[in-house]
Amino acid sequence: SAVISQKPSRDICQRGTSLTIQCQVDSQVTMMFWYRQQPGQSLTLIATANQGSEATYESGFVIDKFPISRPNLTFSTLTVSNMSPEDSSIYLCSVEGGTVSKTQYFGPGTRLLVL
Amino acid sequence: AQKVTQAQTEISVVEKEDVTLDCVYETRDTTYYLFWYKQPPSGELVFLIRRNSFDEQNEISGRYSWNFQKSTSSFNFTITASQVVDSAVYFCALSEEGGSQGNLIFGKGTKLSVKP
Repeated sequence: SAVISQKPSRDICQRGTSLTIQCQVDSQVTMMFWYRQQPGQSLTLIATANQGSEATYESGFVIDKFPISRPNLTFSTLTVSNMSPEDSSIYLCSVEGGTVSKTQYFGPGTRLLVL
Repeated sequence: AQKVTQAQTEISVVEKEDVTLDCVYETRDTTYYLFWYKQPPSGELVFLIRRNSFDEQNEISGRYSWNFQKSTSSFNFTITASQVVDSAVYFCALSEEGGSQGNLIFGKGTKLSVKP
């Protein structure tokens, strides 16, 4: 399966600031996904990022709050803008494909705490 | 509408015990995929298994086994002779062939604690 890395692994931020999370894959992939996992909760899809097109956002998530870039087939960024304590979560990127088709493989996640 | 239910919020067992994690799903699609992921305290989500809706064969991988029953819409996961390293949150997930790409529906997860 693809090897996925995320930076930073964790961060503590002040409210009102923004944080950009990077996701790097060791092989070219068509689609990358960004998820949020609030404390003690399950995963929720934020958006799907295709190279060369605008990201597709799920209900409840907007581009102004979570802008996404996908400059090439191995890299994507998610920005959490104007943060509040409610944004404290684990943010994970994933890609589909690899050893098992129709399967998403996840990065190690970014733990964000907003004070 | 699609839905995944993991009724067990937390399970605690003693090492070497067998434990079964339940997963019940809902979907209108005839072609769909079911998954189990493991999330250890480090936070990374580790893929364990994928099953498609046309393959009801049970699967065994070492101490792990999965029982897929379409008649009851269940995809249960059993760990035999549990070990402390099995302590994690386990998620069951569903994706539909006819759904939007990337739409992986997760259950709420079951936190498994294995005590020595």
